[in-house]
Amino acid sequence: EAAVTQSPRNKVTVTGGNVTLSCRQTNSHNYMYWYRQDTGHGLRLIHYSYGAGNLQIGDVPDGYKATRTTQEDFFLLLELASPSQTSLYFCASSETSNQDTQYFGPGTRLLVL
Amino acid sequence: GDSVTQKQGQVTLSEDDFLFINCTYSTTTYPTLFWYVQYPGQGPQLLLKVTTANNKGISRGFEATYDKGTTSFHLQKASVQESDSAVYFCALETGGYKVVFGSGTRLLVSP
Repeated sequence: EAAVTQSPRNKVTVTGGNVTLSCRQTNSHNYMYWYRQDTGHGLRLIHYSYGAGNLQIGDVPDGYKATRTTQEDFFLLLELASPSQTSLYFCASSETSNQDTQYFGPGTRLLVL
Repeated sequence: GDSVTQKQGQVTLSEDDFLFINCTYSTTTYPTLFWYVQYPGQGPQLLLKVTTANNKGISRGFEATYDKGTTSFHLQKASVQESDSAVYFCALETGGYKVVFGSGTRLLVSP
């Protein structure tokens, strides 16, 4: 069973604040993803990566940066947080990109005041 | 671009009722189709997956059939239980790097 962990699980910050969300997967999957989940929109892809040092832009990248430091670790950075970024964030991993199951972490709930 | 539509925001049933969750998709290729389920406080997890090679997926009493003619991938279950209460996401992957998710359907099952 793939294991994906996220930290913190909950975060409150103020507008303009600097936030880093962390994700670690322990199954040596090549692909990792960051999504945000909002009511009425489902899961929307922010950024993804197919290996250490690689970064690809997703569908809703504005206001977000990401960095993949190792095979296991993928970070999402909000350098100037805004209230519109209040959301539930999920990290996921998969072994390949083609027809493969994605394994999700438990999520981080972010509130930007 | 590729898209997935789930028109039902919420479905409310009683135990032993028949479940039908609508999903339609749009793409120019032959996708792999998924149903993910998200229980309260958890991330989504795979429920079932169907490729062009196997038109039907079955898992834990749920089934979905890949219909290329109507571009649909509806989820069904003959008899739901209270433990099936969750959010269900339809999704597609077209051989690129990403999966496109629908907006989700919340299922509430009362005992």
